[in-house]
Amino acid sequence: QSALTQPPSASGSPGQSVTISCTGTSSDIGGYNYVSWYQQHPGKAPKLMIYEVTKRPSGVPDRFFGSKSGNTASLTVSGLQAEDEAYYYCSSYAGRVEFGGGTKLTVL
Amino acid sequence: QVQLQESGPGLVKPSETLSLTCTVSGGSISSSYWSWIRQPPGKGLEWIVYTYYSGSTYPNPSLKSRVTISLDTSKNQFSLELTSLTAADTAVYYCARSISWGVFDSWGQGTLVTVSS
Repeated sequence: QSALTQPPSASGSPGQSVTISCTGTSSDIGGYNYVSWYQQHPGKAPKLMIYEVTKRPSGVPDRFFGSKSGNTASLTVSGLQAEDEAYYYCSSYAGRVEFGGGTKLTVL
Repeated sequence: QVQLQESGPGLVKPSETLSLTCTVSGGSISSSYWSWIRQPPGKGLEWIVYTYYSGSTYPNPSLKSRVTISLDTSKNQFSLELTSLTAADTAVYYCARSISWGVFDSWGQGTLVTVSS
């Protein structure tokens, strides 16, 4: 069982926005700004999309937006595109790295 | 741009020790933190261990007793040893570079390790 809780699935139509949540505790997400999000297509390595809650690595479209409120972090993908269909994992650091169980994003 | 490539056996017997190596190109291993992360088939990610070129290591407490990580700066490689293997250790093993705590910005392609007799 993962330390961080994500919904197993999320979906949206092309052009729409979708938000994926990641719930932890005051000892991890709530206590530190070390939340990251990773995108993983089938058979591929994960790709860093967001780090330190809101920062985007170079090359990641600004359609991907990270935020946090209390013990819950969120990843919002706006203007959904077919290539956004993938698994998304959140992670948090609190003395150790914890990952969420992953959310499968389907573009309808 | 830094690139990472895992190498090692695809099949290991129960109770034996797994040894994997990650070769880094396009950048020096004598900077940044380096990690191993694994993913059982059809499941989520599990962080295994961090290391820094200074020799400092930070293992996942749940695996601490079975994990060793080492660096070879002359070859620009770092390695993982995981002892006392069981079927639960079957996974794709990734090596990765970390630019901050819990932030893995470059990943190898992953290598599937199956634990079976």
